[in-house]
Amino acid sequence: KNEVEQSPQNLTAQEGEFITINCSYSVGISALHWLQQHPGGGIVSLFMLSSGKKKHGRLIATINIQEKHSSLHITASHPRDSAVYICAVGQGAQKLVFGQGTRLTINP
Amino acid sequence: DTEVTQTPKHLVMGMTNKKSLKCEQHMGHRAMYWYKQKAKKPPELMFVYSYEKLSINESVPSRFSPECPNSSLLNLHLHALQPEDSALYLCASSHPGGGDSEQYFGPGTRLTVT
Repeated sequence: KNEVEQSPQNLTAQEGEFITINCSYSVGISALHWLQQHPGGGIVSLFMLSSGKKKHGRLIATINIQEKHSSLHITASHPRDSAVYICAVGQGAQKLVFGQGTRLTINP
Repeated sequence: DTEVTQTPKHLVMGMTNKKSLKCEQHMGHRAMYWYKQKAKKPPELMFVYSYEKLSINESVPSRFSPECPNSSLLNLHLHALQPEDSALYLCASSHPGGGDSEQYFGPGTRLTVT
């Protein structure tokens, strides 16, 4: 069993839909990161959180430390949101443990 | 400036070649990272430099040789690579605060070994 599990692995939705991507982890963490990777390579850090909730534009990230679970929500989804979303947990010593990623496709 | 730059963007090399990948940041970050990413897989950590000293080597084969000449630059020297080393190589930087520091990633170098 991976230390960081994401679901779903693939998600296809229509433009405008509310999107939820889930991340569960089984190890102690110092922080949880949500990353976005578009086709072509570059990775962008969306959120880093250790408790509660953060919001940036149409993106919302929540974390429940007791349940070892985090969610990434996208409101009013748009085709440009199509990307791979990666959950990663920090375990100290500068190491991140990555989930397998969720491939999101938003159709117009 | 919140950018991490990497050169070259693409690299094709033979198994007997020697080449280098370069990474640069001017955010004052004192931790820098090399990751390897195969298609449809998450990044795999290769090396971490903290204050210009190698702090983590994830049992990477010696045909990959990292170098951190100063706090802004990170190199990855490549020699006698194998076709299975073909991948996207990503550089990242952060403040050296452990896993609770936001990492800034470069666009990557797509390496093909023939």
